Amino acid sequence: KNQVEQSPQSLIILEGKNCTLQCNYTVSPFSNLRWYKQDTGRGPVSLTIMTFSENTKSNGRYTATLDADTKQSSLHITASQLSDSASYICVVPLSGGYNKLIFGAGTRLAVHP
Amino acid sequence: EPEVTQTPSHQVTQMGQEVILRCVPISNHLYFYWYRQILGQKVEFLVSFYNNEISEKSEIFDDQFSVERPDGSNFTLKIRSTKLEDSAMYFCASSEQGGIAKNIQYFGAGTRLSVL
Repeated sequence: KNQVEQSPQSLIILEGKNCTLQCNYTVSPFSNLRWYKQDTGRGPVSLTIMTFSENTKSNGRYTATLDADTKQSSLHITASQLSDSASYICVVPLSGGYNKLIFGAGTRLAVHP
Repeated sequence: EPEVTQTPSHQVTQMGQEVILRCVPISNHLYFYWYRQILGQKVEFLVSFYNNEISEKSEIFDDQFSVERPDGSNFTLKIRSTKLEDSAMYFCASSEQGGIAKNIQYFGAGTRLSVL
């Protein structure tokens, strides 16, 4: 079954600290993986897209990694800020479909002062 | 920065009533989508739309749902006879490119539908 699983479900860190969020997927065939940030009551916003040939990609303080062999991805946030408080969602398109995205349940991150 | 606009932000309706959720995708985008998120659950794909027709739909998107692009700017989702379980946040998204790789879908802020 095509699924995207994320851990942890929730995370609390202090401002300025780093954290790493995990994503495991079983979607096959695999083409690419996306990380989205969703603020409470808002729509998801794309942070990064990684294709199967990319191992790591950075977007400011966000660094995503991908291991297509183990079907795992991580999102590392450095020097966290209060504005990083949000849900971070791992998303994998279902290949063979047109643009159907399979969403993980997200990791709810709370950054405290 | 261009954005996807959704109206209304909150819609309250009685069970059995018809609702139309409205979206204005980013102007040069050609691919349009609807997703829903039941409170506390994952975002779920409903339907994708391209060239004035549905390109893919999920099992959730049954005969009670329909989509339309009535003019050059709006994209709507209609639920004919709402059920309690239709209560959710509905997100519209659009992308410039289709296909699998590299199409970034931009999401609207969502419409919260409450069915009483």
